[in-house]
Amino acid sequence: AQKVTQAQTEISVVEKEDVTLDCVYETRDTTYYLFWYKQPPSGELVFLIRRNSFDEQNEISGRYSWNFQKSTSSFNFTITASQVVDSAVYFCALSCPQDSNYQLIWGAGTKLIIKP
Amino acid sequence: SQTIHQWPATLVQPVGSPLSLECTVEGTSNPNLYWYRQAAGRGLQLLFYSVGIGQISSEVPQNLSASRPQDRQFILSSKKLLLSDSGFYLCAWSVRSGAEQYFGPGTRLTVT
Repeated sequence: AQKVTQAQTEISVVEKEDVTLDCVYETRDTTYYLFWYKQPPSGELVFLIRRNSFDEQNEISGRYSWNFQKSTSSFNFTITASQVVDSAVYFCALSCPQDSNYQLIWGAGTKLIIKP
Repeated sequence: SQTIHQWPATLVQPVGSPLSLECTVEGTSNPNLYWYRQAAGRGLQLLFYSVGIGQISSEVPQNLSASRPQDRQFILSSKKLLLSDSGFYLCAWSVRSGAEQYFGPGTRLTVT
């Protein structure tokens, strides 16, 4: 069955430190999609990235980078030189055509606190 | 560009009262639409999704219902609210199944 695990419930770092949020997934499908979302204190979920299972290239967008490794079923998210505005809850999600009929399977989220 | 609206932003309702939350999307046609609930400090729970007008799939049996009377309108309803219905309700849309979902600002519902 499909599952997304975000083992880190809460991470606290000092501003300008690098921080990595872990995401491990399970699915029997060979085609699937992985997502990261940010939920700031205001509550609205902000889409960050979508990656399909056939594209294992790492992605970088400014201070954000994502490391997709099929061998370990992980899709980790790194923030470089963190800022206070990065404080939020971050969710990893999985979408599978067969296992979940494309519906998003969500991790429990990681609360990231960036201290000034 | 596409935008998604949800209202009201906050709502306080007594137990046993009815509920109607509305979500509308602009700038796209025939979107997939979703209703989620998030309890305080918890993850997201998919309640309903719709791939077209009048087509509603329910993920969790409960006293809530959903309707899609128009292509870009999605309504979440209840005839009688329970205390356990309190939470943060989020509407989302996507261009198709498997694509990224874009979320509205949410409605914070407190049932007293």
